[in-house]
Amino acid sequence: QVQLVESGGGVVQPGRSLRLSCAASGFTFSLYGMHWVRQAPGKGLEWVSVISYDGSNKYYGDSVKGRFTISRDNSINTLYLETNSLRLEDTAVYFCAKEDGYGNFSNWGQGTLVTVSS
Amino acid sequence: DIQMTQSPSSLSASVGDRVTITCRASQGISNSLAWFQQTPGKAPKSLIYAASSLQSGVPSKFSGSGSGTDFTLTISSLQPEDFATYYCQQYDSYPYTFGQGTKLENK
Repeated sequence: QVQLVESGGGVVQPGRSLRLSCAASGFTFSLYGMHWVRQAPGKGLEWVSVISYDGSNKYYGDSVKGRFTISRDNSINTLYLETNSLRLEDTAVYFCAKEDGYGNFSNWGQGTLVTVSS
Repeated sequence: DIQMTQSPSSLSASVGDRVTITCRASQGISNSLAWFQQTPGKAPKSLIYAASSLQSGVPSKFSGSGSGTDFTLTISSLQPEDFATYYCQQYDSYPYTFGQGTKLENK
């Protein structure tokens, strides 16, 4: 069955960087677009970024544009989110999600917590 | 960016009730609307996509409708496991945006 496992979260100081990973299994990873969505403590969901199945197209939310970079390695079925210049307001659980097409976010990982704190 | 507004923000209901949650987009999004359910400490779960298509494995007591700017999620015959927070999301254009959520509580 489809499995998405995020990792790489932790406690980091403002201005520093962190790379998040999402290991995929149970489906042909190279055929699907993938998303990152985050959720600050006690808050709602915020869409972060998307990458197309082949990595040729990428889009970002306004709050992370220019600071975060999404990428993927289809040879090892892994999605990444490079988070740079982190701010206190980037503190959140970061989820990866598989899109089955037409906005169908069919599967989600369990999330990884990023805490930005001095 | 397209703004998504859900109402109500919270809702109190009882087991067996039928409830409806509304989501309004700041501009027309055709049927590019999804609904998610989330319980505390868990990842969101897809319920509905394309405004009214039921995600595989989701019980038919969940139904979605609407097009353009106004959408609804209806849950019939509430069960204890249905008390959760529900989010709508538009995927008509980037950046995708979520509603602020509707917390469904057991009366």
